[in-house]
Amino acid sequence: AQSVTQLDSQVPVFEEAPVELRCNYSSSVSVYLFWYVQYPNQGLQLLLKYLSGSTLVKGINGFEAEFNKSQTSFHLRKPSVHISDTAEYFCAVSSNFGNEKLTFGTGTRLTIIP
Amino acid sequence: KAGVTQTPRYLIKTRGQQVTLSCSPISGHRSVSWYQQTPGQGLQFLFEYFSETQRNKGNFPGRFSGRQFSNSRSEMNVSTLELGDSALYLCASRGGTDTQYFGPGTRLTVL
Repeated sequence: AQSVTQLDSQVPVFEEAPVELRCNYSSSVSVYLFWYVQYPNQGLQLLLKYLSGSTLVKGINGFEAEFNKSQTSFHLRKPSVHISDTAEYFCAVSSNFGNEKLTFGTGTRLTIIP
Repeated sequence: KAGVTQTPRYLIKTRGQQVTLSCSPISGHRSVSWYQQTPGQGLQFLFEYFSETQRNKGNFPGRFSGRQFSNSRSEMNVSTLELGDSALYLCASRGGTDTQYFGPGTRLTVL
C-alpha cells in the first residue's frame, strides 16, 4: 500500500519570497511521484513528475522538486512566488509497475501575501 | 490537442436519484480514471478503465459504476444518490506515458 503525507495544510508566503511545500511518501515498491496544482473551481494541472533519472525535476511556472529516496520525500520549491501561484497543491504517488491508481496527499493551500 | 472534457460541469440532484457523468479523454489515450474530491476525504480513486475493461477499482460501494466505450469515452453512474455523494468528480486520461491528465471536473450537488 502507498500513502502520501503533506505536512502543511496551509502555507502563507509573501510575494517574491521563496517557498517549499513538503511531501513525504510511503511505499513498499518503486514509485512515480507527481505534483499537481488546482486553481479555484478547476481540475488538476500537472506541475512536474519524477519517473526515474535525475532526482531534481523542473516543472512549469518556475517550480522544481527533488526526489530523496533515503528520506522518502519529494518537496516542491519555487525561488520567488507570485500572486498567481495562489492555489492548492497536491502531491501524488503511483506504483511504477503499471498501477494506474494515483494516491494523493491531502493538499497544501498556498496563499501569496502582497 | 484538445484536453480532457467532462460533461456536464455542474449538476444538482436530489437524494435517491441516479446520475451519469461523461468524460472524453485526450485523443489517442485509452486509459480513463475517475476520482472523487470532497473537503473531508480529499481525492480518492474510484476506478480505471482501459480498452473498455475495468482494470482497477477503489474502495467505493457498488452504487458507483462505470463503463468505457470503444472510442475510449467513459461514463460513471451513481445510483440512489446520498447527500455524501456531493463532490467534484474528476476524470483523468493516460496515454503511453505514466502521466494522468485531468479534466475540469463535474461538480455534483445532492439535495
